[in-house]
Amino acid sequence: GAVVSQHPSRVICKSGTSVKIECRSLDFQATTMFWYRQFPKQSLMLMATSNEGSKATYEQGVEKDKFLINHASLTLSTLTVTSAHPEDSSFYICSARTSGGNTGELFFGEGSRLTVL
Amino acid sequence: GIQVEQSPPDLILQEGANSTLRCNFSDSVNNLQWFHQNPWGQLINLFYIPSGTKQNGRLSATTVATERYSLLYISSSQTTDSGVYFCAVERWETSGSRLTFGEGTQLTVNP
Repeated sequence: GAVVSQHPSRVICKSGTSVKIECRSLDFQATTMFWYRQFPKQSLMLMATSNEGSKATYEQGVEKDKFLINHASLTLSTLTVTSAHPEDSSFYICSARTSGGNTGELFFGEGSRLTVL
Repeated sequence: GIQVEQSPPDLILQEGANSTLRCNFSDSVNNLQWFHQNPWGQLINLFYIPSGTKQNGRLSATTVATERYSLLYISSSQTTDSGVYFCAVERWETSGSRLTFGEGTQLTVNP
C-alpha cells in the first residue's frame, strides 16, 4: 500500500488565490521530504527539499516566496502556492524515504494536479 | 549535476512482446530507481537497484554501476504495462541529495 499520501489530488482555483497541498508519510517519520513539479509530457523536476524543523532548501530558479514549504511535523509537509497564476498549473508530487532521512529508497505520493483559471 | 539519459523515448509493442529500456548516467551514484507512471500520474516503484540484478514477475532490472547504465526488461508485455517509465539516480552527499530523473520512455502496448 501507499506509504506517502497527498491531498488534494486535484484542485482548481482562481488566479490570485493561494492553494495548500499536503504530503503525509504513513506509518513512518520523515525528517526530509521532497517536492517535485511535472509539466505535461515532461519529466519530474525537484523544486525543494523540505526539512522538519528548519527552512526548506529550494532549487535554483524556484521562488521561495511563491512556493511556501512548511515541514512542521515528522509526518507532514505542506506546499502552498501563493497568488497562483495560470503558469503555476502543473502536477505537484512529493516524496519521502521510509528510512526517514537522506539515504534509501524514495516513495512518491499520488500527486496533486493544480489548475489555475 | 548528474545527467540521466533514457532510451528509447517512445516504444510501441504488441501484447506479448519483450522489451528493454536503457538508462545511462554521467557519474557514480548511490541510488538508482525505476518507476512506472500510470495514466493518473502516480509513480509506482519498480526497482531500487543501485547495482546488480533484480527480478519481480515479468520485470527485471540490471544496473552496471561501473559502466554507468541500467536496463529494465519487460517480458510478455501486457496493455496494462503502458505508461511512462522513468529512471532516476541520486548521489548521497553531506550537503544534501537529490533524485534526478531521466526524460522517460513512453511505452504503448497494443492488444
